Amino acid sequence: DQQVKQNSPSLSVQEGRISILNCDYTNSMFDYFLWYKKYPAEGPTFLISISSIKDKNEDGRFTVFLNKSAKHLSLHIVPSQPGDSAVYFCAASEGNNRLAFGKGNQVVVIP
Amino acid sequence: NAGVMQNPRHLVRRRGQEARLRCSPMKGHSHVYWYRQLPEEGLKFMVYLQKENIIDESGMPKERFSAEFPKEGPSILRIQQVVRGDSAAYFCASSPPDRRTEYFGPGTRLLVL
Repeated sequence: DQQVKQNSPSLSVQEGRISILNCDYTNSMFDYFLWYKKYPAEGPTFLISISSIKDKNEDGRFTVFLNKSAKHLSLHIVPSQPGDSAVYFCAASEGNNRLAFGKGNQVVVIP
Repeated sequence: NAGVMQNPRHLVRRRGQEARLRCSPMKGHSHVYWYRQLPEEGLKFMVYLQKENIIDESGMPKERFSAEFPKEGPSILRIQQVVRGDSAAYFCASSPPDRRTEYFGPGTRLLVL
């Protein structure tokens, strides 16, 4: 049972434009959400997180938005850079329970 | 502060052999998680351990797979009598006491011939 879903498996975007990645979840008890970035042949790297008490968290070029009523979060990358080409995983957790991961979105930034 | 360390990075085994994967968590982290990523698929949770205890092994195959996290030394994921279907990337992650964020190692890529 996939509690965290990432549709649109791949995204291509021009360098300098905005990349928007979407994630939907089914468990209304999730209270912490994270995005990870993964390059080929490397482990996932923690990127940014957001608590359910917030609806936005920003860190440099990366912003995560949380819409609890829609059970939806998104990651915005602006401006996109070629080094952002990677697979992005959305993850969520409830309390001290382990993270539930989505299947990932491939992002390709075209120079 | 060194990150999560995994070794070996690459491991080749013949069918029927044993594979032993090691993971050293980040300093100060006492929670370890193992994930498997098959080609073209996402991360699949396998097992969650604390020192000397298996907390959640709901993602572990019932046979041939085992994991431990001894009081001293790294966490070990052991696969006995490997088969070709075990070929995958195996990632270890660790988390601090609050367990809110997991930090991943570089992974071990297992190839079974």
